Amino acid sequence: DQQVKQNSPSLSVQEGRISILNCDYTNSMFDYFLWYKKYPAEGPTFLISISSIKDKNEDGRFTVFLNKSAKHLSLHIVPSQPGDSAVYFCAASDGMSGGGADGLTFGKGTHLIIQP
Amino acid sequence: DAGVIQSPRHEVTEMGQEVTLRCKPISGHNSLFWYRQTMMRGLELLIYFNNNVPIDDSGMPEDRFSAKMPNASFSTLKIQPSEPRDSAVYFCASSLGGGTGTQYFGPGTRLTVL
Repeated sequence: DQQVKQNSPSLSVQEGRISILNCDYTNSMFDYFLWYKKYPAEGPTFLISISSIKDKNEDGRFTVFLNKSAKHLSLHIVPSQPGDSAVYFCAASDGMSGGGADGLTFGKGTHLIIQP
Repeated sequence: DAGVIQSPRHEVTEMGQEVTLRCKPISGHNSLFWYRQTMMRGLELLIYFNNNVPIDDSGMPEDRFSAKMPNASFSTLKIQPSEPRDSAVYFCASSLGGGTGTQYFGPGTRLTVL
């Protein structure tokens, strides 16, 4: 059974608008969450993260929101740009190290397509 | 600085053959991870090492899979014998470990077992 779920395999958004990618998790032991971005034929690259003690973390155009009671997090990208077209993975860690020294549990990814 | 280096980038082999995938982590990183990506299961953790010591290999699918990290700058993932269902993209990642160290991924090895 999947502990990290991304229920939307794909999402199409117009350039300049907001992209919202969603992620749900079932393991209440997860205490650190990350978003990775992946282009074809490349490895995933880290985008943004959030600790379970926070409910929001912002980095430029990217904001991650965490709702612990709902076991839900989301990634907001605003404004969306053509270079944002990629597969986005939600990941979680249940270790004390915040994802550095512990393995990550990944969702299956959402393919974001930014339309011109 | 060089990122995580994986070799080969592509591997095509026949069922029953031994396959060895290689990874060189980022210098100074002390945690190393092996992941596998398939259409059905997505990106899943196979095994990880801290300071060259295997910590959790519960994700290794079968005894046919083994991983080693003889030193801080090299790791291998071996499949013997290989089977068609092992076809996937295998990623290696490394991190400084501890705190909120980000995991940096290599470009992956695309393995095809015929």
